[in-house]
Amino acid sequence: DIVLTQSPGTLSVSPGETVALSCRGSQPVTATHLAWYQQKPGQAPRLLIYGTSHRATGVPERFSGSGSGTDFTLTVSRLQPEDFAVYYCHLYGRSYSFGQGTRLDIK
Amino acid sequence: QEQLMQSGGGVVQPGGSLRLSCAGSGFTFSNFHLAWVRQPPGKGLEWLSLISYEGDDKFYADSVKGRFAISRDNSKSVLYLQMNSLTVDDTALYFCARVLEKHVRYVVSFGFDVWGPGTTVAVSS
Repeated sequence: DIVLTQSPGTLSVSPGETVALSCRGSQPVTATHLAWYQQKPGQAPRLLIYGTSHRATGVPERFSGSGSGTDFTLTVSRLQPEDFAVYYCHLYGRSYSFGQGTRLDIK
Repeated sequence: QEQLMQSGGGVVQPGGSLRLSCAGSGFTFSNFHLAWVRQPPGKGLEWLSLISYEGDDKFYADSVKGRFAISRDNSKSVLYLQMNSLTVDDTALYFCARVLEKHVRYVVSFGFDVWGPGTTVAVSS
């Protein structure tokens, strides 16, 4: 099974900054199957990015995804207060695995 | 409005059984693969199972294979998860999710685009 490893585990940043969250696969990943989710406390996850780089409906342009092979990145530009949450990468198919998550905290 | 509504969670003793339900509305239920995902308290997301449009194909995580069974009734727009031989490690918030299949430039990309609100399962003696 493919294991997804996210880094860092926690990131403390200030509103207005730009951050890059990493997701690395233990084997090469089909880019069309790589997605990113945002989860806030007490809520279900929300699909942000599918197919590595395509924003889901209603997702602001400050969220962008990139990557190929084993290395994928979610970039959040000009952080807004509502962006502080936990972010998960996910591989559809094969192992259907999730990364362990990256928490964005307000500095 | 496309949504999934869940029911069936609760408290159960180790070794017991529970069935979760997930009702879809606002979309053509039979046009979508569906999945179950869980989240233990304070932990991350774990994919459990996925079922194809008509229920012909079913996939399970190793952690639940042989104990959990996914099914669907498209005539009622309901997804189910039958959970047997439950252990304390199955204590979690359980989500159902719809599979997005997006055709972009001749290739298909995937994600879980609609989620239920979650239902809590607590396994305790």
